Amino acid sequence: GNSVTQMEGPVTLSEEAFLTINCTYTATGYPSLFWYVQYPGEGLQLLLKATKADDKGSNKGFEATYRKETTSFHLEKGSVQVSDSAVYFCALINTNAGKSTFGDGTTLTVKP
Amino acid sequence: DTAVSQTPKYLVTQMGNDKSIKCEQNLGHDTMYWYKQDSKKFLKIMFSYNNKELIINETVPNRFSPKSPDKAHLNLHINSLELGDSAVYFCASSHLDSHEQFFGPGTRLTVL
Repeated sequence: GNSVTQMEGPVTLSEEAFLTINCTYTATGYPSLFWYVQYPGEGLQLLLKATKADDKGSNKGFEATYRKETTSFHLEKGSVQVSDSAVYFCALINTNAGKSTFGDGTTLTVKP
Repeated sequence: DTAVSQTPKYLVTQMGNDKSIKCEQNLGHDTMYWYKQDSKKFLKIMFSYNNKELIINETVPNRFSPKSPDKAHLNLHINSLELGDSAVYFCASSHLDSHEQFFGPGTRLTVL
């Protein structure tokens, strides 16, 4: 079956630090990959996505590249802000079956 | 306009009661979902539903049942509530082709 493994949190960084949250997956077929962000007290919202190998998704300074050879979709940001403090979820959707699988989430806290 | 809405936002009830959570989407999507998020922020899909197919996560107790009066609504009914049902429940929707999911704000259920 499908699975998503994310870097365990919590992650605490100082403002302007570099962020990497690792995500690897196992899946049959050709899944689409997503990063969702959940700010405190809110629902999840899409941060970025990639639908095929070597695609790079980007949004709000965050980036992730779909690496089929390493089955990875690591999230990066060059300079984090306090407002980036949230829980980040890596997810895959098997487009053939429409089934979604989410990672366990990584809590990020950015301190001023 | 809210894309995916849920009511109520908070629900406090006694063990053994039956309760429902409502979800509505105005995005014209054809697939809707229910997720459960526990206190550690782990997110688990419970159901996905479109007008053709209901997919049930096999780990979900049959006390939980989704009910869809029309394409824009997917309500969650829970019978004989237990302490372990306390969690935040999220509704989401997507278009069958894009698979990008839009989440509601969540319903925090507390069973006493």
